[in-house]
Amino acid sequence: DAKTTQPPSMDCAEGRAANLPCNHSTISGNEYVYWYRQIHSQGPQYIIHGLKNNETNEMASLIITEDRKSSTLILPHATLRDTAVYYCIGPTKGGKLIFGQGTELSVKP
Amino acid sequence: DVKVTQSSRYLVKRTGEKVFLECVQDMDHENMFWYRQDPGLGLRLIYFSYDVKMKEKGDIPEGYSVSREKKERFSLILESASTNQTSMYLCASSFDGRRGVFQENIQYFGAGTRLSVL
Repeated sequence: DAKTTQPPSMDCAEGRAANLPCNHSTISGNEYVYWYRQIHSQGPQYIIHGLKNNETNEMASLIITEDRKSSTLILPHATLRDTAVYYCIGPTKGGKLIFGQGTELSVKP
Repeated sequence: DVKVTQSSRYLVKRTGEKVFLECVQDMDHENMFWYRQDPGLGLRLIYFSYDVKMKEKGDIPEGYSVSREKKERFSLILESASTNQTSMYLCASSFDGRRGVFQENIQYFGAGTRLSVL
C-alpha cells in the first residue's frame, strides 16, 4: 500500500490560499492520490483525486509533480469553515483507505 | 447529494450489552464500510461489505460483527460491549471498482456515532 507523509499542522490567513503538501514517494504509476478532510465532529469528506495531471473542482485544486512523488492541495481562498484535518491518501486494494494523521489546518481571521 | 445516515449521533451503553449501530445509504452504492476513530490512532477499518450478505474483515474486527441484508443498510454489532469499545464509529459507502478504478476509493461518510460504554 502506498504510504503518505504530511506535516502535522499548518496555519493560513482567511482569504489567502492554503497549500497543503503531501509526499507519496512509493506510489506506483497507475495509482491515484485522494484527498479528504474532516471538520471537527463530522465524518470525513471527499475533496478531490488525481493521477498525473493537475485537477480542479469546486472545492480545491490538486497539483501533482511530474515524478508523482508528491502533491499539493490548494484551497484558493481559505475561509474559517475550511478549518479541518486534511488527509492525503494513497490507494489500497478494494477500496480500503488508510487514513494517516493528516494535516490540521487552522484558518485564522 | 449522497446521503449516509447513521441511526444515532450519541449512544451510551453498559458493559456486556449487545449494541447495534445502523447505517443507511441512498446512492445505490455496492460497498459499505465501518470505521472507528480514536485520538492519536486515526480512522481504522473494522469491517466492509462488497455486496448484500457479503462481508470482509478490516484491520480491527475483534469484538465486532456486521450484517448486510439489504444493499442500502449495513449494521455493526458489538456482541458484548466493553469499555475499550468507547469510540467514534463512522459508516461510509462507495461504488465498486467496476464503475471506474477510482470509484471505490471515493467514499461518502456519515456524521458518526459517538458510543460510550460504561
